[in-house]
Amino acid sequence: KNQVEQSPQSLIILEGKNCTLQCNYTVSPFSNLRWYKQDTGRGPVSLTIMTFSENTKSNGRYTATLDADTKQSSLHITASQLSDSASYICVVVPPNRDDKIIFGKGTRLHILP
Amino acid sequence: GAGVSQTPSNKVTEKGKYVELRCDPISGHTALYWYRQSLGQGPEFLIYFQGTGAADDSGLPNDRFFAVRPEGSVSTLKIQRTERGDSAVYLCASSPVSRNIAGELFFGEGSRLTVL
Repeated sequence: KNQVEQSPQSLIILEGKNCTLQCNYTVSPFSNLRWYKQDTGRGPVSLTIMTFSENTKSNGRYTATLDADTKQSSLHITASQLSDSASYICVVVPPNRDDKIIFGKGTRLHILP
Repeated sequence: GAGVSQTPSNKVTEKGKYVELRCDPISGHTALYWYRQSLGQGPEFLIYFQGTGAADDSGLPNDRFFAVRPEGSVSTLKIQRTERGDSAVYLCASSPVSRNIAGELFFGEGSRLTVL
């Protein structure tokens, strides 16, 4: 079982609509949880970073939430735009520096005009 | 440049050949990571450098893979006797802080390796 699981695997929505991407993790506690956006053929770019004690973090139309009790994080995208079409990767950073950063497989989001 | 630079952006080679992929991190970043990403997957850890030394190379799949960072800046990932299964995007990331401290990871655009 992956330590970071994301759902759905892919999602198609119409431009202007909202959507929510899910991340379930087993690593607990952790140093921080991150969401990255990866455009096709590009490297991942950070959207949000949340520490274990934070439960929400916004970056423009992107809002990440964290529920440490259920070990879930969500990324909510408001008023989607065509440029939001990308993969969104959930990343959990363990507290121990000897442990590896754990990447989810990502959710592939397609925004249709 | 201001970001992490990776070269080449695309590399096509034949099975059995030797390949070098270069990463130029953001100036002053002490931590450097190499990841491998296959289509539809998240990045898979290969190696982590803190300064010049490989602090964790446990992700290297076998002894055909090797990476160096001799002066604590530019890093080179070296793949010997390439196999078709090595085809992937190789991502480099750098950070101003040690692993797992709450600092940002900055990724390059990746080097796409295709082994024919």
